[in-house]
Amino acid sequence: AQKVTQAQTEISVVEKEDVTLDCVYETRDTTYYLFWYKQPPSGELVFLIRRNSFDEQNEISGRYSWNFQKSTSSFNFTITASQVVDSAVYFCALSEAKGAQKLVFGQGTRLTINP
Amino acid sequence: GAVVSQHPSRVICKSGTSVKIECRSLDFQATTMFWYRQFPKKSLMLMATSNEGSKATYEQGVEKDKFLINHASLTLSTLTVTSAHPEDSSFYICSAVASGRAGDTQYFGPGTRLTVL
Repeated sequence: AQKVTQAQTEISVVEKEDVTLDCVYETRDTTYYLFWYKQPPSGELVFLIRRNSFDEQNEISGRYSWNFQKSTSSFNFTITASQVVDSAVYFCALSEAKGAQKLVFGQGTRLTINP
Repeated sequence: GAVVSQHPSRVICKSGTSVKIECRSLDFQATTMFWYRQFPKKSLMLMATSNEGSKATYEQGVEKDKFLINHASLTLSTLTVTSAHPEDSSFYICSAVASGRAGDTQYFGPGTRLTVL
């Protein structure tokens, strides 16, 4: 069975600090996708990134970066120079490559950036 | 691109009434849409998979007669909560699957907050 674990329930940092959100997954599939979504207080889930299991290249998008390590089944998310607007709940998710495309979500990490 | 809307964003109803929530993919077609429920400070719980032109597939423990799903077109899925009770109060979120060369991605609607009095 697929499973996603976000061990950090809540993180609170001061603005401009760097912060890393951890995500560890379990799957028996050899082909799968990993995702990160952001849920601000408004409630809407905002898509941040999709990574397939064959692409272990790290990705950087502005202040956001993602570190995919297949050897440790981890897909960690780092925000550099955090800002108050980054405050949200962040979800890591996993889906199989074929079939119903269902997402298995982690429990989410509530990130608070204090001014 | 990849915008999903939900309507209404918020609804308050009396116990025993039915409530319909619409989910639309605005700039793409979606053969598959999903309906989730989210309790306060919790993760998303998948309720059902909505497939265009066929019956929805419900997750274990979700009553299909209670939560009616219709996916009549490639851009619209509806969730009807029938004979709503206070325990049905929750945040309901839909998603629509956009297919691309690199794979499929779920894009989420803004959610509907249902309060049953």
